Amino acid sequence: EAQVTQNPRYLITVTGKKLTVTCSQNMNHEYMSWYRQDPGLGLRQIYYSMNVEVTDKGDVPEGYKVSRKEKRNFPLILESPSPNQTSLYFCASSLMSGQGDGYTFGSGTRLTVV
Amino acid sequence: AQSVAQPEDQVNVAEGNPLTVKCTYSVSGNPYLFWYVQYPNRGLQFLLKYITGDNLVKGSYGFEAEFNKSQTSFHLKKPSALVSDSALYFCAVRDMGGGADGLTFGKGTHLIIQP
Repeated sequence: EAQVTQNPRYLITVTGKKLTVTCSQNMNHEYMSWYRQDPGLGLRQIYYSMNVEVTDKGDVPEGYKVSRKEKRNFPLILESPSPNQTSLYFCASSLMSGQGDGYTFGSGTRLTVV
Repeated sequence: AQSVAQPEDQVNVAEGNPLTVKCTYSVSGNPYLFWYVQYPNRGLQFLLKYITGDNLVKGSYGFEAEFNKSQTSFHLKKPSALVSDSALYFCAVRDMGGGADGLTFGKGTHLIIQP
């Protein structure tokens, strides 16, 4: 089944403790992206990647890192999480950037930073 | 820059009545337009998209949307609402000439269908 898999689904952590949210897709998509969803703000793009070893900042990149060493994986790294990063995170992939292809979304990761 | 506005936080419709969820957009060039639906504790699911061609686009679950270039709108519609349509709906846009720009989403509209 074609899908985007995120792990974990739920995570509670403490301020400053480094964490990684994994994202993997099995559709051979070139384009991958991370979004955070907050009430009243919709989805905001954190980082995106057009292909292996090519990443760039989205609208809200502060406090986050990403890497794209393999085409299928696009982990989101929070080096020193803070409470304002408490949010619902979605990974998404698409066949190509700049084309009329929509995204396939993962099921989401609900992160709470205390 | 590209942007999307969904002017209604919530839309309430009686079951069996037609529904409309509004979306307006802004892009510098021509748009790709999308609607997604999110059910509780789930990711976003693709409903339909407008790329080019016929202004009326049909999608999943009986939904359709009409692209109106002069009004820069892409409203989501359904002739007869079901209780199971209750969910959070997102409109999204991408500028055709936007290069690496990803989708820009609206803030979402809660659709509540009352039995």
